[in-house]
Amino acid sequence: GDSVTQMEGPVTLSEEAFLTINCTYTATGYPSLFWYVQYPGEGLQLLLKATKADDKGSNKGFEATYRKETTSFHLEKGSVQVSDSAVYFCALRGGPGTASKLTFGTGTRLQVTL
Amino acid sequence: DTGVSQDPRHKITKRGQNVTFRCDPISEHNRLYWYRQTLGQGPEFLTYFQNEAQLEKSRLLSDRFSAERPKGSFSTLEIQRTEQGDSAMYLCASSLDRGRWNEQFFGPGTRLTVL
Repeated sequence: GDSVTQMEGPVTLSEEAFLTINCTYTATGYPSLFWYVQYPGEGLQLLLKATKADDKGSNKGFEATYRKETTSFHLEKGSVQVSDSAVYFCALRGGPGTASKLTFGTGTRLQVTL
Repeated sequence: DTGVSQDPRHKITKRGQNVTFRCDPISEHNRLYWYRQTLGQGPEFLTYFQNEAQLEKSRLLSDRFSAERPKGSFSTLEIQRTEQGDSAMYLCASSLDRGRWNEQFFGPGTRLTVL
């Protein structure tokens, strides 16, 4: 079945540091890939998405590129801020003809300090 | 606020009791999903509805769990004879089906604690 593996946290960075959170997936067909973010005390929010190979999703300074050859969708940001502290989830949705559900990774907690 | 809402936000119950949660999706969204999230894990799919039809159920959804969406609007998730292992955050999401890409919007969740 479909699965998502992401790097374990917590990740602790100083403000303005470069961020990478690794995510790899296993899926049949051509899934769509997502990063969701969960800020403290809030619900899951979609951060960015990519629906086909080589697509780059971007939002709020975060980027991730859908790499089919390495089955990866790593999240990056060039300069993190304290307000980026949250839990980040990588997820996939199966391609056409598959179920509509999202399959999530276990989440990576990011803590950004001054 | 026109986001997904869930009620209650917190529920504490004793083992063996029945509990029911409600989810109100974004209006006009025809798909509604239930997920469960345990501590330190990502959300896991439980079931989803297209309008009032329940189209898929995870094997995580034991016989003690039942979900309904009677008029294709709000949904309820009932857990009968709760067990301590049912303690988790129950998340609801909704989306508007328009082909391949349909963003799921999540509610704040209902945190269940079974004593």
